[in-house]
Amino acid sequence: EVQLLESGGGLVQPGGSVRLSCAASGFFFSGHVMNWVRQAPGKGLEWVAAITGSGSITYYADSLKGRFTISRDNSKNTLYLQMQSLRAEDTAVYYCAKVGAAYSDYWGQGTLVTVSS
Amino acid sequence: DIQMTQSPSTLSASVGDRVTITCRASQSIGLWLAWYQQKPGKAPNLLIHTASTLQSGVPSRFSGSGSGTEFTLTISSLQPDDFATYYCQRYNTYPFTFGPGTKVDIK
Repeated sequence: EVQLLESGGGLVQPGGSVRLSCAASGFFFSGHVMNWVRQAPGKGLEWVAAITGSGSITYYADSLKGRFTISRDNSKNTLYLQMQSLRAEDTAVYYCAKVGAAYSDYWGQGTLVTVSS
Repeated sequence: DIQMTQSPSTLSASVGDRVTITCRASQSIGLWLAWYQQKPGKAPNLLIHTASTLQSGVPSRFSGSGSGTEFTLTISSLQPDDFATYYCQRYNTYPFTFGPGTKVDIK
């Protein structure tokens, strides 16, 4: 059974940093692209970033380039999202998702990041 | 970037109704479109990929059609469990983009 468990969310001050983790199990982790998707309170879904199975290629939403970094540790079956220079508008539930054939076929339950002083 | 729109933004319907949601892309995306269902406080759930392929385990009352720039999600007979928000997403090229969502609520 595919399981994705995000962690690392919480209250962060504006301008601060946080690293989210997503522990994966139940599938061949290094063989799959992984995504991060976020959802601000009461808003729609926003694709954030993706990383290839080897970790050698990454993609980002244009609006987030330079502040967010996606990475993975295949030895630990874990996906990461390093977020810095955080702003109030980054407040959201952050989901990790396994990619099937380019679409996200399994999602974690999400972790809430609140950027506020 | 390719933009995605959905219509309507909200849809009020009754159990048993046939429901259709439209998703449009600002340029052709071929068949590279997925539909997701999301209930409050829950993660999205994949319903359809490649425009019309039903994901394993999804009830057959859900169907998708379209290609290029116009796509539809149809629920043939709305069930109580189907009241939710539905999102389309293109995945032809990065950055992948979601539509703004369509909320299906009880009439």
